[in-house]
Amino acid sequence: DAGVIQSPRHEVTEMGQEVTLRCKPISGHNSLFWYRQTMMRGLELLIYFNNNVPIDDSGMPEDRFSAKMPNASFSTLKIQPSEPRDSAVYFCASSTGLAGQTQYFGPGTRLLVL
Amino acid sequence: GQQLNQSPQSMFIQEGEDVSMNCTSSSIFNTWLWYKQDPGEGPVLLIALYKAGELTSNGRLTAQFGITRKDSFLNISASIPSDVGIYFCAGQLRTGANSKLTFGKGITLSVRP
Repeated sequence: DAGVIQSPRHEVTEMGQEVTLRCKPISGHNSLFWYRQTMMRGLELLIYFNNNVPIDDSGMPEDRFSAKMPNASFSTLKIQPSEPRDSAVYFCASSTGLAGQTQYFGPGTRLLVL
Repeated sequence: GQQLNQSPQSMFIQEGEDVSMNCTSSSIFNTWLWYKQDPGEGPVLLIALYKAGELTSNGRLTAQFGITRKDSFLNISASIPSDVGIYFCAGQLRTGANSKLTFGKGITLSVRP
């Protein structure tokens, strides 16, 4: 079975450019999570969706970040405009949404903003 | 907000040794999870614990859910080189459909052959 799919795996961009990260959750999972991982702050939850609806976006750093989930099989995380401090690894994870069910992580997108 | 503490940040052991990692929280969780992250990959679940006092094994790994519900530990026995990686604890407070996890900052494990 396919796991969580993320694209691109690596992204290098210049400050001020728009960046779009993509995620396809595991089929049948109805909760989707976006995380950011840095050396300084570890793994931080940015936002999560349940049944395509954003439930908690309190971790989104600022208005430059936005996330959408137009359907059950696709989500995007957009940064506009990007800044060097956004450089990090961004993970998408999915779960069945039931309380206590584990989250399965994708391979991540490594973002470098110059 | 909730915080999970994992220390030390790095551990260095000899192949064949056992190692224990601890995770503590400032607040109660009702699910504890241990993940391992290999370089260039996402975290992968090792063990999930759902009840205070629960002791669960997965091969050479053993984890326990602390009685106070504010801590958990992970033991790796007879370590091998492929145990190298970052080990994260994560806590979850299950309330209805809320499946948000809080992660520790991870412990980087190095195993010397």
